[in-house]
Amino acid sequence: EAQVTQNPRYLITVTGKKLTVTCSQNMNHEYMSWYRQDPGLGLRQIYYSMNVEVTDKGDVPEGYKVSRKEKRNFPLILESPSPNQTSLYFCASSLSDRTNEKLFFGSGTQLSVL
Amino acid sequence: QKEVEQDPGPLSVPEGAIVSLNCTYSNSAFQYFMWYRQYSRKGPELLMYTYSSGNKEDGRFTAQVDKSSKYISLFIRDSQPSDSATYLCATNDYKLSFGAGTTVTVRA
Repeated sequence: EAQVTQNPRYLITVTGKKLTVTCSQNMNHEYMSWYRQDPGLGLRQIYYSMNVEVTDKGDVPEGYKVSRKEKRNFPLILESPSPNQTSLYFCASSLSDRTNEKLFFGSGTQLSVL
Repeated sequence: QKEVEQDPGPLSVPEGAIVSLNCTYSNSAFQYFMWYRQYSRKGPELLMYTYSSGNKEDGRFTAQVDKSSKYISLFIRDSQPSDSATYLCATNDYKLSFGAGTTVTVRA
C-alpha cells in the first residue's frame, strides 16, 4: 500500500531533550516536506526536500533540522525542543516539487514539549 | 496578510443539508486550487483540484473558483455523517499555501 509513515504518533518530552521524528515513503517520491499544524494557523511548512541531499527552509524553520540521505526517508530533528514547538507535525511527499502536485500526508505526530 | 484566509467555522449541519465552505486568497497569480479533507487523527488527503476559474464536480462535491473576486468554494450536497472532517483549502504560486481549515460536523 502506498503510504507515508511517521513515527512516533505521540511524543511527550521535556525542554532541551533532543528528539527525532522519522518519516518514510514507499512511493519513490522525489519531494518530501514537513509541516506543523496549529489551531487557527493551519499547515505551515517547516522544511522541504526536492531530492536526496537537497533540502531547503520553509516558512517556519527555526529550531528544526532535517536530512535527506536516502530518497525514502526524511527525518525531522529538534535538537533542543522548546514549549512553543508543541504542535501536530505532518510529513508529506509528492512525485515532484511542482506546487500543484498531489501531496500524500502521514498520519501525524502529536508532540508536547514540557 | 495571510495568503489564504478560510472561514474558521466550526459548522454543524443535519444529514442531507448542503455544506458551503469558503476561502479567499490574496495573490492573483495563484492558478491551482485544491481542497484537502482531514479526518480526526489523520493526515490531510486531496479531495478536489481545479485549475483557474470555473466549477468542477465530483459526485456530491463541487469546487468553485472565482478569480475575479479571489474566492474559492466547496459545496457538499446531501451531506453524510462520513463527511464530518476538517476541510482545508490550498492554492499555489511557487509554494503551496493552506487555509487554516474549517471543521464540519454532519449530524445523523
